[in-house]
Amino acid sequence: DSGVTQTPKHLITATGQRVTLRCSPRSGDLSVYWYQQSLDQGLQFLIQYYNGEERAKGNILERFSAQQFPDLHSELNLSSLELGDSALYFCASSVEAVNTEAFFGQGTRLTVV
Amino acid sequence: AQSVTQLDSQVPVFEEAPVELRCNYSSSVSVYLFWYVQYPNQGLQLLLKYLSGSTLVESINGFEAEFNKSQTSFHLRKPSVHISDTAEYFCAVSEGTGRRALTFGSGTRLQVQP
Repeated sequence: DSGVTQTPKHLITATGQRVTLRCSPRSGDLSVYWYQQSLDQGLQFLIQYYNGEERAKGNILERFSAQQFPDLHSELNLSSLELGDSALYFCASSVEAVNTEAFFGQGTRLTVV
Repeated sequence: AQSVTQLDSQVPVFEEAPVELRCNYSSSVSVYLFWYVQYPNQGLQLLLKYLSGSTLVESINGFEAEFNKSQTSFHLRKPSVHISDTAEYFCAVSEGTGRRALTFGSGTRLQVQP
């Protein structure tokens, strides 16, 4: 158990809908990262938050957004969902803003039908 | 921009045989290097990392990797594999002064056969 908790584990939704994925980092970790894992694109970095502020942005679509709350949990919002958004979404956390050791959650498997 | 190449998508090997999973990266600045392992239906677990210092790093379960700056490689090796090592292995790099995001390779599926 990495200590990073992601909910829900599975999500099935229709095209055009909006979903929210939740992540609770390890106790004491201030950084949260979101990654997308799909068969065609592999593992891709989406976005990082550190202590409530956005720190780095990767290949995140405009339809996607994220935030980190004062209690340090994070949410990834995916809207206007398309079939191609079906993927495994991972959250990871680390103590520092610099990534020297990130711990990954079990992921949320999103299926868009 | 950094990139990571894992040359082998699948590596079949017999139990107790040695194995090497190859990883090459491209970056114009100093990097941190990582190997992660993903078992079926699970998240990624950090196997080992190179941040600085000794170029040879080891994990608790017998894997080791060597950072080779001149060849921009970070190959993963194990002298004797077990069935339980069957998994997907990902090489990753973070670079630059920020060293925040990880760039992952496409993964290598290690299949250990009895």
